[in-house]
Amino acid sequence: QKEVEQDPGPLSVPEGAIVSLNCTYSNSAFQYFMWYRQYSRKGPELLMYTYSSGNKEDGRFTAQVDKSSKYISLFIRDSQPSDSATYLCAMSAVEGGKLIFGQGTELSVKP
Amino acid sequence: DAGVIQSPRHEVTEMGQEVTLRCKPISGHDYLFWYRQTMMRGLELLIYFNNNVPIDDSGMPEDRFSAKMPNASFSTLKIQPSEPRDSAVYFCASTTTGRNQPQHFGDGTRLSIL
Repeated sequence: QKEVEQDPGPLSVPEGAIVSLNCTYSNSAFQYFMWYRQYSRKGPELLMYTYSSGNKEDGRFTAQVDKSSKYISLFIRDSQPSDSATYLCAMSAVEGGKLIFGQGTELSVKP
Repeated sequence: DAGVIQSPRHEVTEMGQEVTLRCKPISGHDYLFWYRQTMMRGLELLIYFNNNVPIDDSGMPEDRFSAKMPNASFSTLKIQPSEPRDSAVYFCASTTTGRNQPQHFGDGTRLSIL
């Protein structure tokens, strides 16, 4: 079993929809949780960074961490075609340390 | 500001050849990471450095892979001899010590071994 599990999709939604992306993990030592966005033929770029449990909101994006369930989520409100990309969850046990990535979920937002 | 710079962007070579990938981290960053991304295995950490010293190389697949960081502004990942199963996108990332500092990725080197 992988340390981090993420449904690879692909996920296709109409413009304006609410998107929910999720990851589960097995290592209870993980404390730092991130979501990266990767456009085709580009490197991943950080979207959200969360420490421990709780919610964090940034514009149309909300990240949630539930450490008791070992489950993290990313919500995208009012999705736009420009949100079409692969979204990768990542986590680590120590700040600045080794990141373990999920497989990535490919998202397509149709106009 | 310049981000992480990787070269070459694409490399096509024949099996058995030596391949050298290069990375220039963001100035002032003291951590450097090498990743490999494939459809099957996703994004995997190969090795990372702190202050030019290798800290964890447990992800390096085998002795054919080696990485060096001779100074704070340059790192190489070498594969010798290369094999078709090494075909992947190789990413370099850098970050700095401090709270909530993310890893910044380059745009990768797309490697094809024929």
